[in-house]
Amino acid sequence: QITLKESGPTLVKPTQTLTLTCTFSGFSLSTSGVGVGWIRQPPGKTLEWLALVYWDDDKRYSPSLKSRLTITKDTSKNQVVLTMTNMDPVDTATYYCARRGVNGGVDYWGQGTLVTVSS
Amino acid sequence: DIQMTQSPSTLSASVGDRVTLTCRASQSVSTWLAWYQQKPGKAPKLLISKASSLESGVPSRFSGSGSGTEFTLTISSLQPDDFATYYCQQYNSNPYTFGQGTKLEIK
Repeated sequence: QITLKESGPTLVKPTQTLTLTCTFSGFSLSTSGVGVGWIRQPPGKTLEWLALVYWDDDKRYSPSLKSRLTITKDTSKNQVVLTMTNMDPVDTATYYCARRGVNGGVDYWGQGTLVTVSS
Repeated sequence: DIQMTQSPSTLSASVGDRVTLTCRASQSVSTWLAWYQQKPGKAPKLLISKASSLESGVPSRFSGSGSGTEFTLTISSLQPDDFATYYCQQYNSNPYTFGQGTKLEIK
């Protein structure tokens, strides 16, 4: 059974750095073709893809947010960590950790964690 | 960035209806397209990948088609559990953009 779960703060202040951890089970991030990434969804809005790390440590970032994002993986701990610097109220959203399957679609999602940016 | 445009934004339909949702890409994404279903307060669920490949466990009333810039998701006979918001996503090129969604409502 494949599961992913997000953890991290639910409230951050403007200008602070957000660190989210995805802990997954039921698959290995060493398997060819697999990736784990982050997608967010502001309240009432559509989904926005943020970042992805592949099994071979290749990393992809949304160009519009690349300067603020860092994604890393720890294969031995089955974890992927996302950091986002200089948080702003417009970054308030539910942040999802998710697996990119071998066919390219996002086939497993975490439950999501709502992060609010407010002073 | 590749822009994904879904139509209609909202669709009212009845149980048993056949419905078709459309997704258009601003440039070709080949068949690197996925469809997701999302219910309120829940994470999206992958229905179809590679434009027409049905994910395991997804009912056969769902089907996808298209390539290049035009794609459709068809539900052959709507069931009560199908009323939700549907998103398309291209994963041909970074950033892997989503459409704005189609909300499927009960008529």
